[in-house]
Amino acid sequence: NAGVTQTPKFQVLKTGQSMTLQCAQDMNHNSMYWYRQDPGMGLRLIYYSASEGTTDKGEVPNGYNVSRLNKREFSLRLESAAPSQTSVYFCASSGRGGRETQYFGPGTRLLVL
Amino acid sequence: AQTVTQSQPEMSVQEAETVTLSCTYDTSESDYYLFWYKQPPSRQMILVIRQEAYKQQNATENRFSVNFQKAAKSFSLKISDSQLGDAAMYFCAYWWYNNNDMRFGAGTRLTVKP
Repeated sequence: NAGVTQTPKFQVLKTGQSMTLQCAQDMNHNSMYWYRQDPGMGLRLIYYSASEGTTDKGEVPNGYNVSRLNKREFSLRLESAAPSQTSVYFCASSGRGGRETQYFGPGTRLLVL
Repeated sequence: AQTVTQSQPEMSVQEAETVTLSCTYDTSESDYYLFWYKQPPSRQMILVIRQEAYKQQNATENRFSVNFQKAAKSFSLKISDSQLGDAAMYFCAYWWYNNNDMRFGAGTRLTVKP
């Protein structure tokens, strides 16, 4: 039982490059989330998926797209990376919505040059 | 927009002592949830405790308890009998029913001195 897994753990991109961050959970959770964490700040929600087939914007969605591929997987795509997207990205899942405990992945550290 | 404020960027406590971390939030809603999450140096976010706003009784989890003051919009975390393993960043968070947005505070870094 791995919980929430994220790949890659670390990535360096050049400005303008694209990439997809992968997230998968094996807890049969309905809801999944993508956050970013910047120094001196708490986590900020990028996108949220209440259930398979649905996605909603969070606080900071600009520059990102998401895909809820199936119940297990929720990917985050940067189409044209910018230095302002340098951050640590966390994926999380919960049974049913934000009222329940969210289980977090280990994070992906992204550096955009 | 809902905001969460943690006014103590850093706190320290002696091992076996008690420490209280502060959190205030701004909302006009009556039904919501509040959380404290812990982030140790490993970076793994872990739930410490959860409070439902419609419940007046303060939540407790072993050595962790909260003081939830709904009218004052205050949600502090008390850690009793502090242990070295409690050293971490602690984040207060807010979630509201009709909004998919989870809001986190900026965090408090807790140091535990042996």
